Amino acid sequence: SQTIHQWPATLVQPVGSPLSLECTVEGTSNPNLYWYRQAAGRGLQLLFYSVGIGQISSEVPQNLSASRPQDRQFILSSKKLLLSDSGFYLCAWSVEGTSGKETQYFGPGTRLLVL
Amino acid sequence: QKEVEQNSGPLSVPEGAIASLNCTYSDRVSQSFFWYRQYSGKSPELIMSIYSNGDKEDGRFTAQLNKASQYVSLLIRDSQPSDSATYLCAVNGWSGGGADGLTFGKGTHLIIQP
Repeated sequence: SQTIHQWPATLVQPVGSPLSLECTVEGTSNPNLYWYRQAAGRGLQLLFYSVGIGQISSEVPQNLSASRPQDRQFILSSKKLLLSDSGFYLCAWSVEGTSGKETQYFGPGTRLLVL
Repeated sequence: QKEVEQNSGPLSVPEGAIASLNCTYSDRVSQSFFWYRQYSGKSPELIMSIYSNGDKEDGRFTAQLNKASQYVSLLIRDSQPSDSATYLCAVNGWSGGGADGLTFGKGTHLIIQP
């Protein structure tokens, strides 16, 4: 069965510090991978998605970046964090089913507080 | 811009009753529709997916889709206190052949009263 891991689970960082969040998926090959952010009082917002190694699409321009160095690894980074970067960061994966439909499954998330 | 609208609640339902959650979406070409359940402090968990007009049942859950009205609903029968959570409606405009992110509503907070 497929599992998705995220770390760290919780992170407190000062403004202006760098960030690296990691997501790995097990039990599947060539998944589509996604980064979402859920800020307080707001819905989940898609940040990045990737259909393969080195292929990143950005949905929202900001001070965050993403990379996919391996098939089942997705990394979210920032060079300098802002207060507004605080939130719950969720990684998700999907594969196309036999019906041609894709369903996304979420990891446990990383809660980031920028002070 | 794609939008998904949900009543934020809280929606309070007595234990054993039917909970009805509603969602409307703006993008007429949307193809896939999902309901996720999110407990406080946890990540979203998939409850139901629906792609065609009509009803889809899975245990105590029934999803209903009306593409003409751009409306999706989730019914929870025999509601239990463990159903108390925030329910997120999500819409995907791409039916397959590539990746596309989901557009989420802000969620409806459901409270099942014992």
